[in-house]
Amino acid sequence: GAVVSQHPSWVICKSGTSVKIECRSLDFQATTMFWYRQFPKQSLMLMATSNEGSKATYEQGVEKDKFLINHASLTLSTLTVTSAHPEDSSFYICSARDSGLAVYNEQFFGPGTRLTVL
Amino acid sequence: KNEVEQSPQNLTAQEGEFITINCSYSVGISALHWLQQHPGGGIVSLFMLSSGKKKHGRLIATINIQEKHSSLHITASHPRDSAVYICAGWAGGFKTIFGAGTRLFVKA
Repeated sequence: GAVVSQHPSWVICKSGTSVKIECRSLDFQATTMFWYRQFPKQSLMLMATSNEGSKATYEQGVEKDKFLINHASLTLSTLTVTSAHPEDSSFYICSARDSGLAVYNEQFFGPGTRLTVL
Repeated sequence: KNEVEQSPQNLTAQEGEFITINCSYSVGISALHWLQQHPGGGIVSLFMLSSGKKKHGRLIATINIQEKHSSLHITASHPRDSAVYICAGWAGGFKTIFGAGTRLFVKA
């Protein structure tokens, strides 16, 4: 099946610093990628939809200046958590939709990135 | 009430038991995903189905579009099946609605 990678798999940073998380589709092209956040024992919460070559669409309540998304190519989207604070500590998961599949485009999920802000 | 409801929330089974996890949804969806999330966090897509039944190894997924209901079955369960199982409905466009997940623990 299609593979989506995320880097890094975990990161610990100091409060006030910025952290960049990469999401790559390894063997398919993805015009659309999704960024999710997951708190412990809760389900995935969609943060934003990343579209190649255009601005991301953010869900209500998600600060676009706080969570910068760049989808510069058909295989790479990045999420930058700017001026991170302890409340940003969470598990961030991306998924990608295969542009080549018709109709019911299946989402392929990355392994996630655990962010801890001290 | 969530648009996608799963039951049970938690499930403990003995190794070898037949397991069923249910998913009901109240919105129109075009397809439904069953996902598996292990304690490490990574998510694996098990099935995507829009009608009928799919089988992969010991896993079987069924969906009844008219009744807005899907089930995931695990035959001959094993401790390595312990994970959180999430159903997610694709409502068309880019909207995916996730259930809260079912936490399964299979005892040896």
